[in-house]
Amino acid sequence: ETGVTQTPRHLVMGMTNKKSLKCEQHLGHNAMYWYKQSAKKPLELMFVYSLEERVENNSVPSRFSPECPNSSHLFLHLHTLQPEDSALYLCASSQRTGSGANVLTFGAGSRLTVL
Amino acid sequence: GQNIDQPTEMTATEGAIVQINCTYQTSGFNGLFWYQQHAGEAPTFLSYNVLDGLEEKGRFSSFLSRSKGYSYLLLKELQMKDSASYLCAVGDSNYQLIWGAGTKLIIKP
Repeated sequence: ETGVTQTPRHLVMGMTNKKSLKCEQHLGHNAMYWYKQSAKKPLELMFVYSLEERVENNSVPSRFSPECPNSSHLFLHLHTLQPEDSALYLCASSQRTGSGANVLTFGAGSRLTVL
Repeated sequence: GQNIDQPTEMTATEGAIVQINCTYQTSGFNGLFWYQQHAGEAPTFLSYNVLDGLEEKGRFSSFLSRSKGYSYLLLKELQMKDSASYLCAVGDSNYQLIWGAGTKLIIKP
């Protein structure tokens, strides 16, 4: 496996379900990200894990819960979601140096549909 | 507030040239990025500009004017495989990326 791998690629869940999205990066990067992509809207940064520090967007509802057990793995735990949470969830990684270009490598995304 | 503007959709003909514009207003500036995203696929990095001027990479070029808060992505000799969305993003003072909504480029034969 190379790059950034996300599973599952597609997920349909009811509002009372609990599910998790998984991301794994094979690039040796030191930062991982969750983004939400909705049609015709800018990418929305949800969470960043960088050098064991977590940064979050304060507008993200608590029904989304991230977990980063090590620098290569990232999870997004989902519970009691709403239909408006239906979107493409993208994972990305980068090598943060504190200056210069912070080029992100993205996974193909998990397409989430909440019924 | 912080804002990135780019056209929602553009159409061009195979073999032609197309320019996709991006204007930005951000708190601080740490480079401008262009990404390409084919439908159902991951965004992939195309170019990075931090100084004014033109950066050329094969059929693709990216231009930056920091004083005008403006960039464009120029695609030459268009091919059908260039049909995709093109995302503009700017690094702010905290090196966080501020994203535009993307420009969907449709290439017609």
